[in-house]
Amino acid sequence: GAVVSQHPSWVICKSGTSVKIECRSLDFQATTMFWYRQFPKQSLMLMATSNEGSKATYEQGVEKDKFLINHASLTLSTLTVTSAHPEDSSFYICSARNPTVLAKNIQYFGAGTRLSVL
Amino acid sequence: TQLLEQSPQFLSIQEGENLTVYCNSSSVFSSLQWYRQEPGEGPVLLVTVVTGGEVKKLKRLTFQFGDARKDSSLHITAAQPGDTGLYLCAGSLGWDGGTSYGKLTFGQGTILTVHP
Repeated sequence: GAVVSQHPSWVICKSGTSVKIECRSLDFQATTMFWYRQFPKQSLMLMATSNEGSKATYEQGVEKDKFLINHASLTLSTLTVTSAHPEDSSFYICSARNPTVLAKNIQYFGAGTRLSVL
Repeated sequence: TQLLEQSPQFLSIQEGENLTVYCNSSSVFSSLQWYRQEPGEGPVLLVTVVTGGEVKKLKRLTFQFGDARKDSSLHITAAQPGDTGLYLCAGSLGWDGGTSYGKLTFGQGTILTVHP
């Protein structure tokens, strides 16, 4: 199956600093990747759709200046949480859609990044 | 309003029991996926269903897609402690020519705990 690598798996930072999370598709090219946020014991909440070579599409209520997304290549998307605050602490998960199975719209997920802002 | 209603949200059962998780919507999905997620990990794809009325089996897990492609169910037979986790259904609305394409709509999730 398709593999999506997410790094780091856990990060602790001070309030006011910025944190970058990387999402890589290892064995396929992903023109579209997705970033989710998940609170404990809850489902995934889509934050934005990351499109290779163009601007990300953000969901309603998600601050694009707060959560910067860059999809510079077909295998890498990054999410930067700028000026992080304790309320940004959460589990962030990326996914990539395998373009060879478009009809099924299958997304493969990274292992997630636990962000703790002190 | 939740587009994809998943129930129950919590399920605590004894080893050997059977269970069913449901996902219902008023929308028609082009495909629907079921994922299982363990704490601190990302969701892992279990199955994808695309045809109305489709039934897929994965060992003790049986997945069904409704005839109208608006609902789906996951049935686990003789549950084991290793089945414990968060189960998520996610539907794709398919091509609409707009920004919704490619997105998955997730249900609220079902936290399953199987006690030895």
